[in-house]
Amino acid sequence: QKEVEQNSGPLSVPEGAIASLNCTYSDRVSQSFFWYRQYSGKSPELIMSIYSNGDKEDGRFTAQLNKASQYVSLLIRDSQPSDSATYLCAVNGNTDKLIFGTGTRLQVFP
Amino acid sequence: SAVISQKPSRDICQRGTSLTIQCQVDSQVTMMFWYRQQPGQSLTLIATANQGSEATYESGFVIDKFPISRPNLTFSTLTVSNMSPEDSSIYLCSVSRTSGYINEQFFGPGTRLTVL
Repeated sequence: QKEVEQNSGPLSVPEGAIASLNCTYSDRVSQSFFWYRQYSGKSPELIMSIYSNGDKEDGRFTAQLNKASQYVSLLIRDSQPSDSATYLCAVNGNTDKLIFGTGTRLQVFP
Repeated sequence: SAVISQKPSRDICQRGTSLTIQCQVDSQVTMMFWYRQQPGQSLTLIATANQGSEATYESGFVIDKFPISRPNLTFSTLTVSNMSPEDSSIYLCSVSRTSGYINEQFFGPGTRLTVL
């Protein structure tokens, strides 16, 4: 069974710190990887996508992919209280179907 | 990204009734998806809806319970039939857009369904 695993948290970081969110996946044929942010009561919002090994940076966000170790991570630099949300990792293989992890709840305190 | 709207945004329904949820996209897309997110849980794919063909359902979901229509490239509906309290959930539609080498999915605002 294809699985995507995340620590449910909460992950608590002080304002201005780096938040590190991790995700592992079981299906080696997975090709594309995504991070969504979901505020309470809202729908998921795509913040990062990555398909190549290495790092991809977008503003304060950096996605890191290691296919050999089957993990993908999201770093949030200079964390702000507005970053407090649940972060969902999603993975797909040869189709467009996404498999989601259970999400990590991030709390950024002032 | 994509501009996606869903109707209704929320509803409270009685057991045994049916509800049809609409999903409208601002431009043509090939693939649309319907997900369910139960309270405190992650997203589960119900089915994939391609225009001009029958929807493809995931394990545990059947057409009699969740009939889907896809009449054109910008619109889809999901019906939750013969509802029970266990169907209380958020229902989300999404669309796939290609960005470089990746097909990215963007979600609508969701429909919050409560079944009494």
